[in-house]
Amino acid sequence: QQQVKQSPQSLIVQKGGISIINCAYENTAFDYFPWYQQFPGKGPALLIAIRPDVSEKKEGRFTISFNKSAKQFSLHIMDSQPGDSATYFCAASNFNKFYFGSGTKLNVKP
Amino acid sequence: GAVVSQHPSWVICKSGTSVKIECRSLDFQATTMFWYRQFPKQSLMLMATSNEGSKATYEQGVEKDKFLINHASLTLSTLTVTSAHPEDSSFYICSARVSGAGELFFGEGSRLTVL
Repeated sequence: QQQVKQSPQSLIVQKGGISIINCAYENTAFDYFPWYQQFPGKGPALLIAIRPDVSEKKEGRFTISFNKSAKQFSLHIMDSQPGDSATYFCAASNFNKFYFGSGTKLNVKP
Repeated sequence: GAVVSQHPSWVICKSGTSVKIECRSLDFQATTMFWYRQFPKQSLMLMATSNEGSKATYEQGVEKDKFLINHASLTLSTLTVTSAHPEDSSFYICSARVSGAGELFFGEGSRLTVL
């Protein structure tokens, strides 16, 4: 059973636009929700993370919105740039285990 | 963020040989490290959880005799792919969690190609 469901699988956005990636989870025991950015041939890099006691966290152009009641969280990339083109993974953590979404390949067109 | 170093970044070996991949936490102590395998265009598949000073915990379906994991110190975990075969060719990534905190940091990954 997939613990974290991520959508869309791929996303094309024009430069300057907003990229939105969504994730949903079932296990209410999850207490940490990070987003990772991965470039081809590289390991994932932690982008931004949130805990369930807040509904939104913003770091620069990246914002996580968290809806505890709906068990959903999303990543918003404002003013998307071609350099943001990468694969993004959401994750959810419970104690010592991390569960990853299936990934979203983002392509920002110049 | 914390730095996790993985070595080698790529390795080519002959079928039947063993390959060791190292994962080091450079600026923090990690009581727990994780090993993942990633197939092209797919998500990360957790292989095992490595705990310092104790045996690794393997995920269902992962052969513990093929993928030997050792976590000898708070900053080093190793994955040894024994008697490698072409189907073991993959991208292996380690990660480490800062003790007492939530963040999980990844190494750069190791591309294994078995001929």
